[in-house]
Amino acid sequence: KNQVEQSPQSLIILEGKNCTLQCNYTVSPFSNLRWYKQDTGRGPVSLTIMTFSENTKSNGRYTATLDADTKQSSLHITASQLSDSASYICVVQRTGRRALTFGSGTRLQVQP
Amino acid sequence: NAGVMQNPRHLVRRRGQEARLRCSPMKGHSHVYWYRQLPEEGLKFMVYLQKENIIDESGMPKERFSAEFPKEGPSILRIQQVVRGDSAAYFCASSASTDTQYFGPGTRLTVL
Repeated sequence: KNQVEQSPQSLIILEGKNCTLQCNYTVSPFSNLRWYKQDTGRGPVSLTIMTFSENTKSNGRYTATLDADTKQSSLHITASQLSDSASYICVVQRTGRRALTFGSGTRLQVQP
Repeated sequence: NAGVMQNPRHLVRRRGQEARLRCSPMKGHSHVYWYRQLPEEGLKFMVYLQKENIIDESGMPKERFSAEFPKEGPSILRIQQVVRGDSAAYFCASSASTDTQYFGPGTRLTVL
């Protein structure tokens, strides 16, 4: 079954701290993996996209890693800010399909 | 360049009524996708359309749900005879020939 699992479900950190979110997937055949940020009441916004041959991709304070062999990805957030409070969603696309498979997300809360 | 537009943002219907959700893709985008997000769950793919054609409807419920993307005008997701279980956030995304999907703000449907 094509699935995307994320951990933890929720996370609370203090402003300025770093954190790492995890994603495991069984989606096959694999085309690419994306991380999205979804603010409450808004649509998802793309942070990074990685194909099979890419191990890491950065977007400002966000750094995503991908291990296609173990089918794992992580999203590392550096020097967190209050505005980072949101859900972070791991999304995988299968080869030959436009449809995306979403994880349930990690709800991150950054406290002052 | 305006982003993906969805309206209405909030829709309340009584059981048995019809719901019509509209999506205007980004300028120049001819691919539209609809996703549904149930409370506390991840987004689930419903349907993928190009102008006047349904390309992939593997995520659409077999009954009561339909989608169209006419030559002129927005894409419409139509839900007939709504039930309480249809209450969810419905997100539209659009893309050009590349795979990057840009999401709208969503329509939150509440069925009383």
